[in-house]
Amino acid sequence: DVVMTQTPVSLSVSLGGQVSISCRSSQSLVHNNGNTYLSWYLQKPGQSPQLLIYKVSNRFSGISDRFSGSGSGTDFTLKISRVEPDDLGVYYCGQGTQYPDTFGAGTKLELK
Amino acid sequence: EVQLVESGGGLVQPGRSLKLSCAASGFTFSNYYMAWVRQAPKKGLEWVATISTSGSRTYYPDSVKGRFTISRDNAKSSLYLQMNSLKSEDTATYYCARHGWELGFAYWGQGTLVTVSS
Repeated sequence: DVVMTQTPVSLSVSLGGQVSISCRSSQSLVHNNGNTYLSWYLQKPGQSPQLLIYKVSNRFSGISDRFSGSGSGTDFTLKISRVEPDDLGVYYCGQGTQYPDTFGAGTKLELK
Repeated sequence: EVQLVESGGGLVQPGRSLKLSCAASGFTFSNYYMAWVRQAPKKGLEWVATISTSGSRTYYPDSVKGRFTISRDNAKSSLYLQMNSLKSEDTATYYCARHGWELGFAYWGQGTLVTVSS
């Protein structure tokens, strides 16, 4: 299985600040068709996860442009700018390139 | 608005069975792959099963293969997960999700808690 490693485990940020979360995969996430199926999800406290970013850098419907994804191969980053209170929670990366779909262990974003 | 509402969770003894349901609305259910993803208490996310639009193809990770069966009823816009031979490590909140190759898990339900304990 593809192992997804997220760093850091937790992150403290001031409102209005910027943060980056790293996600590394144990194998390349480039599919034979040329696409890279790497997604980012946010799970707010007491809620179910929600999709933020798909295929590395595409924002899902209704997601603020304060969220941006980048990377390639095995190394990916989620950046959040101008952090707002509603951004707090646990962020997960996930891959769908190789069976089975797997997720990182999560990065908890907290207020400083 | 896409809505996914799970039901059927509860307390079950090890070795017993349980069937989860998910009622979908707000989209054409029969056009989408669907999935179950679980989250053990205070833990991360684990994909459990996916089913194709017609139900003819199903996919599972090794951890549940042979014990869990995903199915769907497109006429009722409903998704199911039959869980047999349950183990304590199956204790988790089970989420129903719309699954696509492009988007990943695009929409999630609120989850239903399954506790496997004697």
